[in-house]
Amino acid sequence: QQKVQQSPESLIVPEGGMASLNCTSSDRNVDYFWWYRQHSGKSPKMLMSIFSNGEKEEGRFTVHLNKASLHTSLHIRDSQPSDSALYLCAASIYGSSGNKLIFGIGTLLSVKP
Amino acid sequence: NSKVIQTPRYLVKGQGQKAKMRCIPEKGHPVVFWYQQNKNNEFKFLINFQNQEVLQQIDMTEKRFSAECPSNSPCSLEIQSSEAGDSALYLCASSLPSQNTLYFGAGTRLSVL
Repeated sequence: QQKVQQSPESLIVPEGGMASLNCTSSDRNVDYFWWYRQHSGKSPKMLMSIFSNGEKEEGRFTVHLNKASLHTSLHIRDSQPSDSALYLCAASIYGSSGNKLIFGIGTLLSVKP
Repeated sequence: NSKVIQTPRYLVKGQGQKAKMRCIPEKGHPVVFWYQQNKNNEFKFLINFQNQEVLQQIDMTEKRFSAECPSNSPCSLEIQSSEAGDSALYLCASSLPSQNTLYFGAGTRLSVL
């Protein structure tokens, strides 16, 4: 079973609109969540990370975390065509052999002009 | 531009052949990860190193896959006997110790015919 679940699998928003992406871990041993963005044919690049309950904002991007439900969400306001990419959520899960970063399968975002 | 250098960008092998790919981590990053991203965007953790030592690896890696990170040489991932199901994008990432931000290379796209 995938330990990191993302929804929706794909999302289409109009230019200027708000995109909301969700991620939940089924493993309680999570200490960090990360959001990566992967443009087509490119490698993933880290967008934002969060480990405390609450909200973190950087420019047009806002990340929320609810540690009790192990749920994080990424919101992109004023979406631009250049935001079209695969958004990957990763959870840092600790275990007896150390931390491991487990990725979800991503949400494919398309921003239509 | 990524400071993690992966070679080759593309690799085509027949079933049963060896496939070897290399990775030079970002300077000063002692932690190296290998991930496999399949055509469904599923990220599978394969193995990670700190300096020359293996930290964690999955069972699959122990059978047909081998990896090393010798000092003063690129890290490498080798598949001893390639199978069609190994066709994927192999991503190398590096990080500082105790910091989970991964910096990815551009990847090696393996096609097993």
